[in-house]
Amino acid sequence: QITLTESGPTLVKPTETLTLSCTFSGFSLTTDGVGVGWIRQPPGKALECLALIYWDDDKRYIPYLESRLTITKDTSKNLVVLTMTDMDPADTATYYCAHTLGVTQFGAYWGPGTLVTVSS
Amino acid sequence: QSALTQPASVSGSPGQSITISCTGTTSDVGSYYLVSWYQQHPGKAPKLIIYEVKKRPSGVSNRFSGSKSGNTASLRITGLQADDEADYYCSSYAGSKILLFGRGTKVTVL
Repeated sequence: QITLTESGPTLVKPTETLTLSCTFSGFSLTTDGVGVGWIRQPPGKALECLALIYWDDDKRYIPYLESRLTITKDTSKNLVVLTMTDMDPADTATYYCAHTLGVTQFGAYWGPGTLVTVSS
Repeated sequence: QSALTQPASVSGSPGQSITISCTGTTSDVGSYYLVSWYQQHPGKAPKLIIYEVKKRPSGVSNRFSGSKSGNTASLRITGLQADDEADYYCSSYAGSKILLFGRGTKVTVL
C-alpha cells in the first residue's frame, strides 16, 4: 500500500524560507522510473506542479519558480524535501506531494496536503 | 509554459453525458500521449481517473473515458451521477518532464 504524507510549518512570514517534507511508504525512490512531485493549490485556484525528482536524481522545476526551489531526496528515509525561498503571501496554498511512475502515470497516489499560509 | 485551457464550468443532469476539453499546444498535448485527468472533491486531494490519454487506473468507473485530437484532449463522463460533481483537471507533460495542469473545470450535476 502506497502512502504519502506532507509535513512542515503551517505559517511562514514573508521573505522566509519554506521547508516541506514528504514521507512515503510502499515504494522506493531507488526503483527505475519512480519519482515524487510537489504540487500546490492556492485557495480556490488550480493545481500547479512545482518540482519533480526521479529515482536517478533527475530534478525538474517549473521554470518561473526555479530560482526559488530546491527538491532533494533521502532514499534511506523514504523522504523528499522541497525548499522554497523568499516566501510571499501569493505562495499561500495547499501543498501536496504525489507519486509518479516515469512520465506516464503521475498522481496515482497523493498525500492529503498541507496548508501553508504566508503572513506577517 | 502556460496552463492548459479548460472551460470553467460544465453542467448536466443525472444520467446525461458531458465532455470537458483541455487545449494545449504542439509543445505539450499535441506532441505527447501523456495527458491525464484528475477529479477533486472539495477539501480532498486530487484523484487520478485517466492517464496516457485514455487509460483508466484500476477501480475507476468506465463511465470516464479520455481521448485526444491534435492539441486538444477530452474527458467524457457518461451516466452522470451526483458524486461526479467535483473539479476536474487535465495535465500534460511538456517535454521537459515537468507537468502542466489545466485551470480546472467545475462540473455541476443539476
